[in-house]
Amino acid sequence: ETGVTQSPTHLIKTRGQQVTLRCSSQSGHNTVSWYQQALGQGPQFIFQYYREEENGRGNFPPRFSGLQFPNYSSELNVNALELDDSALYLCASSLAWQYTDTQYFGPGTRLTVL
Amino acid sequence: AQKITQTQPGMFVQEKEAVTLDCTYDTSDQSYGLFWYKQPSSGEMIFLIYQGSYDEQNATEGRYSLNFQKARKSANLVISASQLGDSAMYFCAMREGKVQGAQKLVFGQGTRLTINP
Repeated sequence: ETGVTQSPTHLIKTRGQQVTLRCSSQSGHNTVSWYQQALGQGPQFIFQYYREEENGRGNFPPRFSGLQFPNYSSELNVNALELDDSALYLCASSLAWQYTDTQYFGPGTRLTVL
Repeated sequence: AQKITQTQPGMFVQEKEAVTLDCTYDTSDQSYGLFWYKQPSSGEMIFLIYQGSYDEQNATEGRYSLNFQKARKSANLVISASQLGDSAMYFCAMREGKVQGAQKLVFGQGTRLTINP
């Protein structure tokens, strides 16, 4: 158990809808990263938050947005859902943002878009 | 651009045998970290072991060790005395020590390890 929690566990939405996924980071961690993992693939980096500021973004469109709160928990919002957004969404927290800091993952949210 | 290659889509090993999972990486940075994660069918990504680019000794964590060959840009995971519970997907990942921007994890395609009794 890493102490990183995510909600909900599973979610089914229809194309065009909006979704919010939530993540609580491990105690003492101030950095949260979000990843999308399509079936049979490795995770792909969406963005990272460090002390409530976005400090980097992967190759995802602006309809993927996020927030980090003062307690370092985080949200991932996806607008105008597309079928290809169906995936496992993983949140990871780390002590800080440096490359030497291990990222610890939560159990993931499995999103299905119909 | 950083890249991770795992050439073994699937591996089948007898219980109690040792197994080596291959990983090669490509980066132009001098500072980087290499990570191995295990992903059971439940989906959670479990951290196994870390190797920094400046570490002179190979990392070890219990039954896991990382065979780091910097000149060959390889970071193979060795699992000794495999157990049935080791059956899972294994991902090799790298983080570059960029000056600006997120030091994101870049993952390989993974290797599915199956331990046979």
